[in-house]
Amino acid sequence: GQNIDQPTEMTATEGAIVQINCTYQTSGFNGLFWYQQHAGEAPTFLSYNVLDGLEEKGRFSSFLSRSKGYSYLLLKELQMKDSASYLCAPLSGGSYIPTFGRGTSLIVHP
Amino acid sequence: DTGVSQDPRHKITKRGQNVTFRCDPISEHNRLYWYRQTLGQGPEFLTYFQNEAQLEKSRLLSDRFSAERPKGSFSTLEIQRTEQGDSAMYLCASSPRSLFAGQGNYGYTFGSGTRLTVV
Repeated sequence: GQNIDQPTEMTATEGAIVQINCTYQTSGFNGLFWYQQHAGEAPTFLSYNVLDGLEEKGRFSSFLSRSKGYSYLLLKELQMKDSASYLCAPLSGGSYIPTFGRGTSLIVHP
Repeated sequence: DTGVSQDPRHKITKRGQNVTFRCDPISEHNRLYWYRQTLGQGPEFLTYFQNEAQLEKSRLLSDRFSAERPKGSFSTLEIQRTEQGDSAMYLCASSPRSLFAGQGNYGYTFGSGTRLTVV
């Protein structure tokens, strides 16, 4: 099985930077996804990391350390619309089935 | 192709009734997944198809649940004798053979889901 741990809730101020951490344990490893999900909507793809290091995409960056079973999502210049749940989803080795954590609910306030 | 479509968007049913949901994946995607999501939780994997073959089923998928993908295109998920605990959002996702879908994106496009309420 897989264990995925991420904080349940975080709050931040508009314009600030927030880092959402995720630790995981998998049988082998085939990459890790981050998804954003607004209330009542489908998850949407943010990032995919398979190698160690930081991947930057606009205001969002994702970091991976395979040896530590650790990833984080960094959101810069927060906007109110970034209030959503952020889901960490690793892929086990040889698998094409993402397993999702319970998500981190991010609340951005003015 | 406009993405993954799910029908209906909402379904209210009485306990004990059967319900069926439909998912139309992105046409060139050969993999299709069903997930269930309850409030405050992440999506939980139910089952997975590669073309028409159902390759994996979660232990969450009781005997009352059955899924099909008869021609390797659309899929249906049926729940028989619904229970209140079945109330959830049922999400469908599809992905291509390769994880990389081009243009900096990776597979696993989700549909908007079917919200089931069992009363």
